[in-house]
Amino acid sequence: GQNIDQPTEMTATEGAIVQINCTYQTSGFNGLFWYQQHAGEAPTFLSYNVLDGLEEKGRFSSFLSRSKGYSYLLLKELQMKDSASYLCAAFYNQGGKLIFGQGTELSVKP
Amino acid sequence: EAQVTQNPRYLITVTGKKLTVTCSQNMNHEYMSWYRQDPGLGLRQIYYSMNVEVTDKGDVPEGYKVSRKEKRNFPLILESPSPNQTSLYFCASSTTDDNEQFFGPGTRLTVL
Repeated sequence: GQNIDQPTEMTATEGAIVQINCTYQTSGFNGLFWYQQHAGEAPTFLSYNVLDGLEEKGRFSSFLSRSKGYSYLLLKELQMKDSASYLCAAFYNQGGKLIFGQGTELSVKP
Repeated sequence: EAQVTQNPRYLITVTGKKLTVTCSQNMNHEYMSWYRQDPGLGLRQIYYSMNVEVTDKGDVPEGYKVSRKEKRNFPLILESPSPNQTSLYFCASSTTDDNEQFFGPGTRLTVL
């Protein structure tokens, strides 16, 4: 199988920085997505990493290490509205298959 | 407005009664996909389609069928629903398979 592992839940304080890790199996791997999902809503796209390194988009950054099968999502200057589930998803072999992790439920507290 | 729509949004049905959940996108996307989301299991891919008349199985295709006769529509068919298909279903589309996917609002299905 192509297991994707990420922590089930995390808690952080408003204004702080939090890093959500994700590991995946490297065989046939093409790229790594991060999505945000608020309770009761559909997932929305945050980032897609294909190459090694850090990509920054405002308060959110995503990192990928292809050799280690590892990615993280970094959220800076946390706001209450960042409380949501963060989904890591790995794209394997050209052909459409996308495997999601179970999601990390982030709670931001005042 | 660019969007993915699903119907119905909520459905309660009984075991064995065939049903179809429709999915439509107005972005001329080639790639479309169906997922189910269950507590503790995350999103799991049911079927996907790279283009018209091209469909492939995802991780959990058993008990489901799909068709892609036109680019904009990708219906999910449950020929004989069972209680273990009670779930939250999402349809998604993207320009190609390795691009950002846009998700529909979800369909909450309960099979009694």
